[in-house]
Amino acid sequence: AQKVTQAQTEISVVEKEDVTLDCVYETRDTTYYLFWYKQPPSGELVFLIRRNSFDEQNEISGRYSWNFQKSTSSFNFTITASQVVDSAVYFCALSESHSNDYKLSFGAGTTVTVRA
Amino acid sequence: DTGVSQNPRHKITKRGQNVTFRCDPISEHNRLYWYRQTLGQGPEFLTYFQNEAQLEKSRLLSDRFSAERPKGSFSTLEIQRTEQGDSAMYLCASSLGGGPANYEQYFGPGTRLTVT
Repeated sequence: AQKVTQAQTEISVVEKEDVTLDCVYETRDTTYYLFWYKQPPSGELVFLIRRNSFDEQNEISGRYSWNFQKSTSSFNFTITASQVVDSAVYFCALSESHSNDYKLSFGAGTTVTVRA
Repeated sequence: DTGVSQNPRHKITKRGQNVTFRCDPISEHNRLYWYRQTLGQGPEFLTYFQNEAQLEKSRLLSDRFSAERPKGSFSTLEIQRTEQGDSAMYLCASSLGGGPANYEQYFGPGTRLTVT
């Protein structure tokens, strides 16, 4: 069963628009970790953020912000005032504690295209 | 450069040939992970090491795949008798391990395998 669902396959915006990427996850663990990664055209996955299941505080880092809601099993990501350099594939991922391996289960990704 | 490195970056091989990829993790990282990513999908977990011990293998890792991390530093992933379905990007990641604060995985640039 898919543990992480990113329903949006592609999003295209004009520069300076805000864009929100949805992520819904599924787990039976009470302790788990959620991540967002960025994969630019060069291909290398870049770590953006980790959120622990016991910390529901939203976070802002520059133009990036994250909204974690356990009640809806969602961990959404917003880019404010998007720039062309934000064009990439963004992945949401889940790491569960029960197996102690902390492997990442990724969603299928959302391709964001920011047009000048 | 102190990030995760992978070699080669690209490999084209004929069906039936053996290939070997190398991953050099961040030097103080104890955990090393291999993932496979096919076009349009998120990475999928293959296997991971805690120091030199291979602790888990995914069902995706058929008998033709073998991974080693002989001295707990670099790792190799070998595919024997390659098939066209093995064509993918093979990603390596490392993490410090040892506690929740160290769970972020940092990825290398990947090795893109094309089997003709």
